[in-house]
Amino acid sequence: GAVVSQHPSRVICKSGTSVKIECRSLDFQATTMFWYRQFPKQSLMLMATSNEGSKATYEQGVEKDKFLINHASLTLSTLTVTSAHPEDSSFYICSARDPRGRETQYFGPGTRLLVL
Amino acid sequence: DAKTTQPPSMDCAEGRAANLPCNHSTISGNEYVYWYRQIHSQGPQYIIHGLKNNETNEMASLIITEDRKSSTLILPHATLRDTAVYYCIVRANTGNQFYFGTGTSLTVIP
Repeated sequence: GAVVSQHPSRVICKSGTSVKIECRSLDFQATTMFWYRQFPKQSLMLMATSNEGSKATYEQGVEKDKFLINHASLTLSTLTVTSAHPEDSSFYICSARDPRGRETQYFGPGTRLLVL
Repeated sequence: DAKTTQPPSMDCAEGRAANLPCNHSTISGNEYVYWYRQIHSQGPQYIIHGLKNNETNEMASLIITEDRKSSTLILPHATLRDTAVYYCIVRANTGNQFYFGTGTSLTVIP
């Protein structure tokens, strides 16, 4: 299957700082990428849909000014958690839709964020 | 997108077939059934998907009932590495987003 990478794999930051997470599609061009968040022992929750060259679409209850998404190229989307707080500590996962496949999405390995 | 219902947990003996059920009684005609799994602390992995015909690939088989209201994912010879949370998701082929339910936590026992 297609490959999606994330960087960093884990990050620890101080409360009040901003953290940027990158999501890359390595062997295909993705016009659409997705960002999820997963708290311990819970399922994945879709945060937003990232569209190349246009504004992201956020799910209800997700603060767009706190979770900034940029999809500047067909292979890269970034999620910036601004002014992070301990409650933002979570597992952040991105996915990308492979246009070559049968409407399948491929997921990155995830980024573990810990805010102290 | 249609809602799915899965048992919260299942056990399976190593080497045996693991049959994971999923109910999607409100599925629409243009909605596909997708299966993903998530091994602890990793991103979800695509397994298989189908519309109405049974599907098979190198990982698993997907059996969809004739009325399409339920399906079963079959791992023919479960190994310890198949221990994971398995998610059944229903989504229209024109749709974008995947919405995950609670899934089934499968434990393969030696």
